[in-house]
Amino acid sequence: QKEVEQNSGPLSVPEGAIASLNCTYSDRGSQSFFWYRQYSGKSPELIMSIYSNGDKEDGRFTAQLNKASQYVSLLIRDSQPSDSATYLCARYSGTYKYIFGTGTRLKVLA
Amino acid sequence: DTAVSQTPKYLVTQMGNDKSIKCEQNLGHDTMYWYKQDSKKFLKIMFSYNNKELIINETVPNRFSPKSPDKAHLNLHINSLELGDSAVYFCASSQGGSGNTIYFGEGSWLTVV
Repeated sequence: QKEVEQNSGPLSVPEGAIASLNCTYSDRGSQSFFWYRQYSGKSPELIMSIYSNGDKEDGRFTAQLNKASQYVSLLIRDSQPSDSATYLCARYSGTYKYIFGTGTRLKVLA
Repeated sequence: DTAVSQTPKYLVTQMGNDKSIKCEQNLGHDTMYWYKQDSKKFLKIMFSYNNKELIINETVPNRFSPKSPDKAHLNLHINSLELGDSAVYFCASSQGGSGNTIYFGEGSWLTVV
């Protein structure tokens, strides 16, 4: 079983729609979770971190964490073509180790 | 002013050669990492260093030898390069071991021919 699981996609949404990206993890002890965006040929850049159950909003992005169900999601409102990228979910597993999912490729269609 | 910088960005080399990648961070972080990203975009940790001390060596072949001369620098030397070493290598840094955000360098694209 992979430690962080994501659907590889591609997830295609029309411009202006809400994109919903999901991630599940296997370690109940995880406390810190992250969403990164990676454009082709570029490095991962942080979109949002989330540490507590519930929702965290930052502009068009909302991260949702449910520790009981072991999932974390990212909603992108008013999706733009510039949001087309691979989105990586990560968790901090302790002892200076961050574990990443394989990413979900998002395509926003103009 | 780049926070985590790596050199070189691109590296094309022949099998059997030895190469090094250098990384520097100016974020004042005390922990640095090397991650490898394969063609399927999977980011896998190779090494982590905290205050120059090796913390994680994630069953990486002995041909890979990291070195951290100080908290702000982490280098990666690879001996006897193999075709399977072709990947993108990302340096990253974070503050402490409590799950703070990890920041990535621009990556070093290694192609072994």
